[in-house]
Amino acid sequence: QVQLQESGPGLVKPSQTLSLTCTVSGGSISSTTYYWSWVRQPAGRGLEWIGRIYTTGSTNYNPSLKGRVTISLDTSKNQFALQLSSVTAADTAVYYCAREDGIGISFGLDVWGQGSSVTVAS
Amino acid sequence: DIVMTQSPVSLPVTPGEPASISCRSSQSLLYSNGHNYLDWYRQKPGQSPQLLIYLGSNRASGVPGRFSASGSGTDFTLKISRVEAEDVGIYYCMQALETPYTFGQGTKLEI
Repeated sequence: QVQLQESGPGLVKPSQTLSLTCTVSGGSISSTTYYWSWVRQPAGRGLEWIGRIYTTGSTNYNPSLKGRVTISLDTSKNQFALQLSSVTAADTAVYYCAREDGIGISFGLDVWGQGSSVTVAS
Repeated sequence: DIVMTQSPVSLPVTPGEPASISCRSSQSLLYSNGHNYLDWYRQKPGQSPQLLIYLGSNRASGVPGRFSASGSGTDFTLKISRVEAEDVGIYYCMQALETPYTFGQGTKLEI
């Protein structure tokens, strides 16, 4: 059974870069049938889709993040990563990694990590 | 971006009674393949979201049969035939027709 686990600093200073890693266990990140995604949730608020990456390295990002986001793959470690640059307090949130099942047709975000809380503060 | 609107925001329910949540999208989610690219998720308190329904009406693996979903185009409904105490949480719809994927604001189901 596939499991996802986020890791990274819980505190990031304003204007710096937030970096999180999602480790995939029980399955291969090189699979051709999944996207690997990031979703965030500010405290007490709703869900925001950040972006996703495919095994080829192809990415889709949310334009609302104004080019500050980069998602990458590390197939040797079976991990994918999120980088969000020039962070502000508005980027404080719980960040989830998730697997999207289906290419060309979406069967949903069917596996989620437990979430990583990130606070942006000096 | 496609805007997703859910109603109600809060839904008090009694165990054993049915419940229904509505989701509307700002544009049709019906793709040329005949599928509606609409998912439903539930987030229990303190937990990650969990996929309940994909492609408009398909229950995800392990989701109880009391959950059903319907709709097409821009109007969708999630129904719980008989609410149980474990169903408390926030329910979100999400469109997966085009990126950026977008979520509804959530419906809080309270016992």
